[in-house]
Amino acid sequence: AQTIHQWPVAEIKAVGSPLSLGCTIKGKSSPNLYWYWQATGGTLQQLFYSITVGQVESVVQLNLSASRPKDDQFILSTEKLLLSHSGFYLCAWSQGTGQLYFGEGSKLTVL
Amino acid sequence: GDKVKQSPSALSLQEGTNSALRCNFSIAATTVQWFLQNPRGSLMNLFYLVPGTKENGRLKSAFDSKESYSTLHIRDAQLEDSGTYFCAAENMGYKLTFGTGTSLLVDP
Repeated sequence: AQTIHQWPVAEIKAVGSPLSLGCTIKGKSSPNLYWYWQATGGTLQQLFYSITVGQVESVVQLNLSASRPKDDQFILSTEKLLLSHSGFYLCAWSQGTGQLYFGEGSKLTVL
Repeated sequence: GDKVKQSPSALSLQEGTNSALRCNFSIAATTVQWFLQNPRGSLMNLFYLVPGTKENGRLKSAFDSKESYSTLHIRDAQLEDSGTYFCAAENMGYKLTFGTGTSLLVDP
């Protein structure tokens, strides 16, 4: 069975500080990987997707970047956090453009 | 405006009753997915649809690509059905556009 793990579960960070969120998928070879962002009470907005190692496509940047250093790993980062980065970050995988499966999410509070 | 509009935005049901949620698309959706987000924030995939209908237990969903809408029917609502329901439309390969969400509360 496939499992998707996100870390950290929650972070409280200062404006201007760096951020790194991670996501690992086990039990699936060459998945498509996605990062989504959700403001409190809002809908989900797709940020990035990756269909293969080393290749990441930006959908909406929001002063964030993403990388896929391994087949099973997806990283979301920024060097300088903004207040507007607060929210809930969700990693997801799919096989091709099929059904999407989400991780448990990482809650980010920027103060 | 919103490319994927959901209605209603909020809904309260008595346990055991039925209801329907709807998504209208202003984009040419090729597939639709429905998710339930629990209070902790994790999303569970309920349906993946090409044009047509699917049924799973008390849930039934339909997607009409020509009329640009999708529905999710809940039969015999249970307390555990409470949460926020999102539909999402795919129209450009790997890009999925989520709807505005429907917050559902099932009361005993």
